[in-house]
Amino acid sequence: QSVLTQPPSASGTPGQRVTISCSGSSSNIGSNYVYWYQQLPGTAPKLLIYRNNQRPSGVPDRFSGSKSGTSASLAISGLRSDDEADYYCAAWDDSLSGVVFGGGTKLTVL
Amino acid sequence: EVQLVESGGGLVQPGGSLRLSCAASGFPFSGYEMKWVRQAPGKGLEWVSYISSSSDRTNYADSVKGRFTISRDNAKNSLYLQMNRLRAEDTAVYYCATNSFSEWEPPESWGQGTLVTVSS
Repeated sequence: QSVLTQPPSASGTPGQRVTISCSGSSSNIGSNYVYWYQQLPGTAPKLLIYRNNQRPSGVPDRFSGSKSGTSASLAISGLRSDDEADYYCAAWDDSLSGVVFGGGTKLTVL
Repeated sequence: EVQLVESGGGLVQPGGSLRLSCAASGFPFSGYEMKWVRQAPGKGLEWVSYISSSSDRTNYADSVKGRFTISRDNAKNSLYLQMNRLRAEDTAVYYCATNSFSEWEPPESWGQGTLVTVSS
């Protein structure tokens, strides 16, 4: 059971906007930055969003992140077939003194 | 460009030991914290351990505490994970990772991973 809670699945059609939620607590999301990763099958996680809403260079602006209180969300606009992947949220947890992850959300592009 | 290359994975019997290595390049390794994160087959990501840049701070997930030891050699730009008393549930791809902003944030850069299989 993951410390951060994500829906196990999400879906959308090409061109649509989808959002993936991530719920935590005061010891993690509530007091620390949220990161988001995209993972394609058989590959390492790729950083999509850091420090709640910052995009690394090379990540399209179709991807955006937000945080409010003890929850965060990842939005993907202009959905494409190659966005089909697993998405994970993560944050530092002050109580555990370590990184906590969400269980992952499998995004399907219909 | 940050490059992290893990090695040392393989098949080991329950109760056995294995030492993973991570070769770092493209960044000032001695100034960066480092982490190990693992992913069991078909499962999500799990943080395993963390070490500060000077090795004065380490921490472990409860699931590996007392069995795994993280260490680094800044002169060799290398990170290690000594894994003892391995269990079937330790079977996973192990990634080394780092963050350039702060040691108290999730990873920014990841290696490609090395697979550890614990089975008789």
